[in-house]
Amino acid sequence: GAVVSQHPSRVICKSGTSVKIECRSLDFQATTMFWYRQFPKQSLMLMATSNEGSKATYEQGVEKDKFLINHASLTLSTLTVTSAHPEDSSFYICSARLHTGELFFGEGSRLTVL
Amino acid sequence: GEDVEQSLFLSVREGDSSVINCTYTDSSSTYLYWYKQEPGAGLQLLTYIFSNMDMKQDQRLTVLLNKKDKHLSLRIADTQTGDSAIYFCAEMADYIPTFGRGTSLIVHP
Repeated sequence: GAVVSQHPSRVICKSGTSVKIECRSLDFQATTMFWYRQFPKQSLMLMATSNEGSKATYEQGVEKDKFLINHASLTLSTLTVTSAHPEDSSFYICSARLHTGELFFGEGSRLTVL
Repeated sequence: GEDVEQSLFLSVREGDSSVINCTYTDSSSTYLYWYKQEPGAGLQLLTYIFSNMDMKQDQRLTVLLNKKDKHLSLRIADTQTGDSAIYFCAEMADYIPTFGRGTSLIVHP
């Protein structure tokens, strides 16, 4: 199946710093990528839909200025958590959609904010 | 908003079949998915079904879709300990996916 690579898999940062997470589609072009946040023992919460070459569409309750999304190419979307705080600690997962409708996910990035 | 519901836990004996159920509310769903998540990992696409199908089989996996009742199930034949994981049901409508909370499958010897 198609491969989506996410990096870094784990990151620890100090409160107040910014962290960038990358999501790459390795063997296909993804015009649309999704970013999710997963709390322990819970389902995925869709944060935003990232479309190549345009602004991301954020879900209600997700702060645009806090979670910056850039989808600059057909194979790369980035999520930057700005001025991170301990409550931002979570598991962040991206997915990319094939034109056939299949969704493939990255391995996820565990963010810990101290 | 639209909802996807699934039971939180399922416990089976190794070698038995597992059936994980899911219900959804969006009648305009076009695709329905099953994903597997192992601890600390991302989601692995197991299988998916188009909304105009009622069954799909892929090796040990069988997906049944009852569109009238908006009910989706995943059957895993000959369940192994390596199948222990969380299984997420998801539906996609208007190209936006919605996930259930996941069913934790526990396989014991």
